[in-house]
Amino acid sequence: SYELTQPPSVSVSPGQTASITCSGDKLGYKSVCWYQQKPGQSPVLVVYQDSKRPSGIPERFSGSNSGNTATLTISGTQAMDEADYYCQAWDSNTAVVFGGGTKLTVL
Amino acid sequence: QVQLQESGPGLVKPSETLSLTCTVSGGSISSYYWSWIRQPPGKGLEWIGYIYYTGSTKYNPSLESRVTISEDTSKNQFSLNLRSVTAADTAVYYCAREVVGADTNWFDPWGQGTLVTVSS
Repeated sequence: SYELTQPPSVSVSPGQTASITCSGDKLGYKSVCWYQQKPGQSPVLVVYQDSKRPSGIPERFSGSNSGNTATLTISGTQAMDEADYYCQAWDSNTAVVFGGGTKLTVL
Repeated sequence: QVQLQESGPGLVKPSETLSLTCTVSGGSISSYYWSWIRQPPGKGLEWIGYIYYTGSTKYNPSLESRVTISEDTSKNQFSLNLRSVTAADTAVYYCAREVVGADTNWFDPWGQGTLVTVSS
């Protein structure tokens, strides 16, 4: 079955750029989206189709996808961005696949 | 805008059937795909399956033998039945609208989630 791998944790200083990666075989040929989940809350879509932002998502959130790695980039990271982030892709065999999640700490 | 709300028992006994309903407001379920996703405490997300408004369904292969998703368009609801549950099925269960395209999909929005504990 298809798997997506994320680092368990990423740390960033306020105002700096955070990069969260998601790796999978030939992932660049798939469409990737990203969700933000704060403690006790439901996930929120922050990027879809690799790099598109839903309405209401700040411009500091951006995405890219090439080769075997998709990346969620948060520019000018704020304390409110501290959360768990999950990547997700569609696989023809497994259907929906989620990464294991990355805890972003802003310190 | 579209909002989703899960409802159902918070406690289910082992070997019994977990049943949840998702009520959709602010839009009709007679379009889009509608999904169930779960998250065990402290762990990641797992897709369970979806139903299209036509009634067609697709399930996670790892759960397919125990899952049924159905819909009631007259009530703007869709439901999840998970049979023969064990403690491993303890999780927060979310319903979500799934946007599906050619080799692409995403979930937006999500319900608030409901915790279901499997225990005797």
